[in-house]
Amino acid sequence: GAVVSQHPSRVICKSGTSVKIECRSLDFQATTMFWYRQFPKQSLMLMATSNEGSKATYEQGVEKDKFLINHASLTLSTLTVTSAHPEDSSFYICSAVLQGSYEQYFGPGTRLTVT
Amino acid sequence: SQKIEQNSEALNIQEGKTATLTCNYTNYSPAYLQWYRQDPGRGPVFLLLIRENEKEKRKERLKVTFDTTLKQSLFHITASQPADSATYLCASFGGSQGNLIFGKGTKLSVKP
Repeated sequence: GAVVSQHPSRVICKSGTSVKIECRSLDFQATTMFWYRQFPKQSLMLMATSNEGSKATYEQGVEKDKFLINHASLTLSTLTVTSAHPEDSSFYICSAVLQGSYEQYFGPGTRLTVT
Repeated sequence: SQKIEQNSEALNIQEGKTATLTCNYTNYSPAYLQWYRQDPGRGPVFLLLIRENEKEKRKERLKVTFDTTLKQSLFHITASQPADSATYLCASFGGSQGNLIFGKGTKLSVKP
């Protein structure tokens, strides 16, 4: 089946530093990847849509200069949290859309803790 | 705005019983609904998809229904087992980007 990986699975960083999270589709190509954020006991909230070869589309209220997204290839999208603050601590999950379909496959998530 | 609601935050049942989880949608008519399982600290795992013209769909011990009149989907797990304990999320395509809109989920606990 289609597998999506995320790296790292957990990261702790100091306030003010930047953190990069990778999302890879391992055995399929994905022209579109989504980045979600999930707070405890809350549903997944879409942050941005990452399209291969073009700029990401951000949801209202998500700062594009803070959450940098790069989708350089059909199998890799990266999310960089710049100048991280404690309120950015959350569970970040990506999903990849199987090229040519609506099937979405989710990564295992990345737990970010900003101290 | 489009909403997916799972009104039960938690459901506790005894092993062997049938678990029934509810998902309601408002302000739109999704062409299909999906159910996912999420374990703590993990991403969602796809379980079932049901289209609006399908009344019911089954997969092993899982059954999903879709009632467009009630704007509701029910998710059943028959002969539940402690290993079924997890959070179950209802979702549908509703975003302008083709993204999924999720409910908050229902945490199911199956006691032996």
